[in-house]
Amino acid sequence: GENVEQHPSTLSVQEGDSAVIKCTYSDSASNYFPWYKQELGKRPQLIIDIRSNVGEKKDQRIAVTLNKTAKHFSLHITETQPEDSAVYFCAASKGGDSSYKLIFGSGTRLLVRP
Amino acid sequence: NAGVMQNPRHLVRRRGQEARLRCSPMKGHSHVYWYRQLPEEGLKFMVYLQKENIIDESGMPKERFSAEFPKEGPSILRIQQVVRGDSAAYFCASSPDKFLGYGYTFGSGTRLTVV
Repeated sequence: GENVEQHPSTLSVQEGDSAVIKCTYSDSASNYFPWYKQELGKRPQLIIDIRSNVGEKKDQRIAVTLNKTAKHFSLHITETQPEDSAVYFCAASKGGDSSYKLIFGSGTRLLVRP
Repeated sequence: NAGVMQNPRHLVRRRGQEARLRCSPMKGHSHVYWYRQLPEEGLKFMVYLQKENIIDESGMPKERFSAEFPKEGPSILRIQQVVRGDSAAYFCASSPDKFLGYGYTFGSGTRLTVV
């Protein structure tokens, strides 16, 4: 079945530096890739997503890139701030009748040091 | 316009007891999805329900777990004879039609602790 691997499991950066989190997926039929941010004890919140017909998407300090050939996608956070500290999850799903079934990565704990 | 409402927020059960988790979808939504998050892990799909129908329960453990979404009232995830391994956060999401893949908005979750 579909599998999503996420690296690194923890990431510590200095405030103002960039952070990059990478995910790979196994099912070439996957075509939707959201990223979620989860603060301690709270719900996962969608921060950005990308579809397979697009190679890159940007929203202020956050960007996601997708390489369909290599089956990997990455989250880039620039000018990191302490409030970016959280656990980040990537996910993937196939389109059509299976689009509701998101397969999540295992998460990256990001710590931004002031 | 309230979002997806889940209750209780925290639930403590002793081993062998039953746990009932409720999910009230957003107004006008008739499709509900349940996910489970074990400690230090990502979310895993459990079940997809439409009003009065289970569409996909492929992620549900075969025993002790059941889900329903009646014509009236919230969706219920029921866990019988809970064990320590059931301790997790349970999140639900909803959509007005079959999910088209534009990003879930999850409820606040129910954190189940089995002691």
